[in-house]
Amino acid sequence: GQQLNQSPQSMFIQEGEDVSMNCTSSSIFNTWLWYKQDPGEGPVLLIALYKAGELTSNGRLTAQFGITRKDSFLNISASIPSDVGIYFCAGPYTGTASKLTFGTGTRLQVTL
Amino acid sequence: SAVISQKPSRDICQRGTSLTIQCQVDSQVTMMFWYRQQPGQSLTLIATANQGSEATYESGFVIDKFPISRPNLTFSTLTVSNMSPEDSSIYLCSAGTGMGEKLFFGSGTQLSVL
Repeated sequence: GQQLNQSPQSMFIQEGEDVSMNCTSSSIFNTWLWYKQDPGEGPVLLIALYKAGELTSNGRLTAQFGITRKDSFLNISASIPSDVGIYFCAGPYTGTASKLTFGTGTRLQVTL
Repeated sequence: SAVISQKPSRDICQRGTSLTIQCQVDSQVTMMFWYRQQPGQSLTLIATANQGSEATYESGFVIDKFPISRPNLTFSTLTVSNMSPEDSSIYLCSAGTGMGEKLFFGSGTQLSVL
């Protein structure tokens, strides 16, 4: 089946630093979604991307839909302690827009 | 967006018993799904909850182990049957509307099986 690999797997950063993470797939996706999961909570949608090359921002977060349609990137600028959590990329199963497959996740921890 | 309420939020169960998890959405949605998140892992789709008909299960998941109901457009249940410690996970309900839409998630049910 479709597999989404995220890197890095985890990262420790200083408050105020910028963060970059990516998600790669063995197959083409027509939609990329980025979610964040806080401890004890379900994932919350951060950004949705629908077109190759698209660059979309949500506050300090910026995500890009890769030109090859096999990857996507998420950047967080000026990280703050509440950015701590697990970030997942997700994309729809082939032929079924609503069913999502999730990436392996990037765990972000911020040190003061 | 949709607000999704799940209960129980957590439970500790004995081996061999069953637990039913409820999912309530605050608006009518076309799609409802159940995911499992094993400790430290990503989310894995269990099944699509179909309104008024049998759920559609993903590879590795079967109806006898994870029976699902969806009697209307806003409510679904997932039962984890004959539990074993390997079933200890977070179970998440999600819902969405339309094509190419974003999914919204409940807070999950943290299940521990002793």
